[in-house]
Amino acid sequence: EIVMTQSPATLSVSPGDRATLSCRASQSVSSNLAWYQQKPGQPPRLLIYDASTRATGIPARFSGSGSGTEFTLTISSLQSEDFAVYYCQQYNSWPPMYSFGQGTKLEIK
Amino acid sequence: EVQVVQSGAEVKKPGESLKISCKGSGYSFPSYWIAWVRQMPGKGLEWMGIIYPGDSDTRYSPSFQGQVTISADKSITTAYLQWSSLKASDSAMYFCARRGPFDGSGYSLDYWGQGTLVTVSS
Repeated sequence: EIVMTQSPATLSVSPGDRATLSCRASQSVSSNLAWYQQKPGQPPRLLIYDASTRATGIPARFSGSGSGTEFTLTISSLQSEDFAVYYCQQYNSWPPMYSFGQGTKLEIK
Repeated sequence: EVQVVQSGAEVKKPGESLKISCKGSGYSFPSYWIAWVRQMPGKGLEWMGIIYPGDSDTRYSPSFQGQVTISADKSITTAYLQWSSLKASDSAMYFCARRGPFDGSGYSLDYWGQGTLVTVSS
């Protein structure tokens, strides 16, 4: 089973600043990596898939990078609506298996 | 419009059985895998398993194998998650989500239900 580890657990950033979130896989997942945003009381929302492709309707301030075992989600110029919990997730094409990181809470500094 | 709609909150006693549902619409339901994800209070997301409604091929996370049963009825475009004997530790929010197409989501989970809160208490 592939274990995903996110850091930091909590990130305090001021509105307008840049946030950088990290995700590490216990073994290579190639580019099979997604990022989700979750706000309180809501389901997760897909932001990024294939490590760097923005999902439909996701603003350009969200960008993803990395491959293999090291990945990064960058949010440039944080808006108030961006403060939430972010999860990375690896996925297999076949068999269809998934695992999530433990999440990074992005809070207002 | 793609929609994934889950059944409502449940309150159960330990030892009782439960089946919650997830209805897909606006797309070819048999052709897309449906995943189930647990979120315990104040905690992160845990992938439980996934089913292909077209032929009911089902895969489980090792952590949930034998603990729950995932099924689907493609004739009514609905997937299910069930327990035969609930425990207090099953209290959580449960989400279902569609595994998206490779071209457009890279097999990530693109549409999510609103969640079903399950509370198990004596």
